[in-house]
Amino acid sequence: AQSVTQPDIHITVSEGASLELRCNYSYGATPYLFWYVQSPGQGLQLLLKYFSGDTLVQGIKGFEAEFKRSQSSFNLRKPSVHWSDAAEYFCATSTGAGGTSYGKLTFGQGTILTVHP
Amino acid sequence: DVKVTQSSRYLVKRTGEKVFLECVQDMDHENMFWYRQDPGLGLRLIYFSYDVKMKEKGDIPEGYSVSREKKERFSLILESASTNQTSMYLCASSLYPEAFFGQGTRLTVV
Repeated sequence: AQSVTQPDIHITVSEGASLELRCNYSYGATPYLFWYVQSPGQGLQLLLKYFSGDTLVQGIKGFEAEFKRSQSSFNLRKPSVHWSDAAEYFCATSTGAGGTSYGKLTFGQGTILTVHP
Repeated sequence: DVKVTQSSRYLVKRTGEKVFLECVQDMDHENMFWYRQDPGLGLRLIYFSYDVKMKEKGDIPEGYSVSREKKERFSLILESASTNQTSMYLCASSLYPEAFFGQGTRLTVV
C-alpha cells in the first residue's frame, strides 16, 4: 500500500527566509504527487502537482517542488516566505492510471508552518 | 472554476443522533470522496463513489454510510453519532487524478 510521510509536524521560519517542507512517499511505480495548503478553517487548495516530465514543478503563490525518484521525495520550496503563507501543508499521492484508483488520495500527516515577522 | 459545496461549515449534534453531511459539486465529476481530518493524522478516506449509486469503502468506514442518488450530490451519514466522530469532514470531487475540495464541515458530537 502506498504511504506518504511528512517528517516535520511544525516548522517556524522568519518572514523573508527560505522554506523547504519535506515529503517522502512509498509506492512502487511513479505516483502522481500533490501539495495542498489549508488556511485555518478552510478547505484544501492545490498548490502544485507532478504527473510526469520535468521533475521541477512550479505552482501558485511562488511555490515549487522537486520530484526525486532516487530519494522517493517530493519536497516543497519557496525562496522567500510571506506572513500570509502561514498555514498547514499536505503532501498527497494518487496511484497511476488504471485499476480502481478513481483518484483516491493518500495524505501525509501535514506540516504546520508558522511565520515570524 | 470547480466548485464543491458542503452544506454546513459547523455542526453540533448529540450522541446517538443520525447526522447527514451534504456535498454538491458543479462539474459533472464521476468520482466523489469523503475524508476525515484529525490533527497529526492528516486526511483519511472514509468512503468514495465512482458513479451514481456506486460506492466503496475507504480506510475508515466504520460508523459511516454514504448515499449518491444524483451525480452532483454525495452525502455522508453518521447512523448514530458518537463523540469519537468529532472531527473535520472534507468532501472532494475528482477529475482523475486531480481532486477539488470543499470548505469542510467541522462536526462536534456532544
